[in-house]
Amino acid sequence: DVKVTQSSRYLVKRTGEKVFLECVQDMDHENMFWYRQDPGLGLRLIYFSYDVKMKEKGDIPEGYSVSREKKERFSLILESASTNQTSMYLCAGGGNYGYTFGSGTRLTVV
Amino acid sequence: QKEVEQDPGPLSVPEGAIVSLNCTYSNSAFQYFMWYRQYSRKGPELLMYTYSSGNKEDGRFTAQVDKSSKYISLFIRDSQPSDSATYLCAIVSGGSYIPTFGRGTSLIVHP
Repeated sequence: DVKVTQSSRYLVKRTGEKVFLECVQDMDHENMFWYRQDPGLGLRLIYFSYDVKMKEKGDIPEGYSVSREKKERFSLILESASTNQTSMYLCAGGGNYGYTFGSGTRLTVV
Repeated sequence: QKEVEQDPGPLSVPEGAIVSLNCTYSNSAFQYFMWYRQYSRKGPELLMYTYSSGNKEDGRFTAQVDKSSKYISLFIRDSQPSDSATYLCAIVSGGSYIPTFGRGTSLIVHP
């Protein structure tokens, strides 16, 4: 069964901390995505990657960066966490025939 | 105007009802259409995928696409309490691989 695995289900971090959210896929997808999901706002694209070491900004990249050193791993980095980055973060892999999401990381910044 | 519009609900129906969930879109270049189901505190899971106008059926679920009206629907027959979730539509333009999601419709099926 194909999977996208996010390393943490729940995280609590302090304001100003550097935060790493890890995502691993076993589907050999070129395309990987990071979204955040907030009530009333739906899924918002932060960054995506279409190949190793390639990345493109999505709709809300400010305050975030990403890393893709290997095809199966796509990391989201919060350079200096702020309370407005408290959210559900979802990683996905896939293409026009469908996207597989991870279970999500619920991040709380205090 | 958002590219993909979806009524957030909630939509509350009795068990056994036929449910109709809908999205409208504005971009004629959209070619690939998907429906996702998302349970509370979980990631979305792909339910249905189609790239053509018409109907596609899978068990109790039917996806319908009307490209001329820029309208897509998901029908759920014999709805069950376990169908209670948020349903998101996702649409992709030809030549792209970046999905545009609707904001989701919350469905509640009560026994």
